[in-house]
Amino acid sequence: AQSVTQPDIHITVSEGASLELRCNYSYGATPYLFWYVQSPGQGLQLLLKYFSGDTLVQGIKGFEAEFKRSQSSFNLRKPSVHWSDAAEYFCAVGPYTGGGNKLTFGTGTQLKVEL
Amino acid sequence: DAEITQSPRHKITETGRQVTLACHQTWNHNNMFWYRQDLGHGLRLIHYSYGVQDTNKGEVSDGYSVSRSNTEDLPLTLESAASSQTSVYFCASSETTVNTEAFFGQGTRLTVV
Repeated sequence: AQSVTQPDIHITVSEGASLELRCNYSYGATPYLFWYVQSPGQGLQLLLKYFSGDTLVQGIKGFEAEFKRSQSSFNLRKPSVHWSDAAEYFCAVGPYTGGGNKLTFGTGTQLKVEL
Repeated sequence: DAEITQSPRHKITETGRQVTLACHQTWNHNNMFWYRQDLGHGLRLIHYSYGVQDTNKGEVSDGYSVSRSNTEDLPLTLESAASSQTSVYFCASSETTVNTEAFFGQGTRLTVV
């Protein structure tokens, strides 16, 4: 069965500092990988997705993620964090046979930004 | 603009009552999903549908049911609400073609007392 691990429950960074959120997955086939962000009281917004091709993918709000098959990882990065990035971030994996189907989510990482 | 809406946004109900949460999407997506979000668990799949008259159980389906009578709606029913079903519920939809992502509603916060 597939699984997603986000080892960091909480992360605090200073505004302007770089950010890396970790995500490791276990999946028996070629995965689709996603990062979603959830602001308080809101739904989930897609930051970026990886289906195939270039392993470094760019997303919205200045985020990027790198797919490393050998490490089963899909870490999210941002070079300079803004206070508005404070939110909860979810990594998710889905089957290659159809994007967006039956996602398995990690437990989330809560990001706090210090001014 | 196309969207996915959930109603109600907040609901308090009593143990043992039947509760139905609505999900309506205007993208004409075939795939629809219900997830619940709990602290320490992330989002977990309850039920999903790949089209009209199609429904499937997800990871945590016990105590829940869905029906799909048209493309736009996938209501989630709690047959007899239990305190363990206090959670935030998210509906999502997606196309059936490859290279697509799921779009999520704003969520319904359900409290069972």
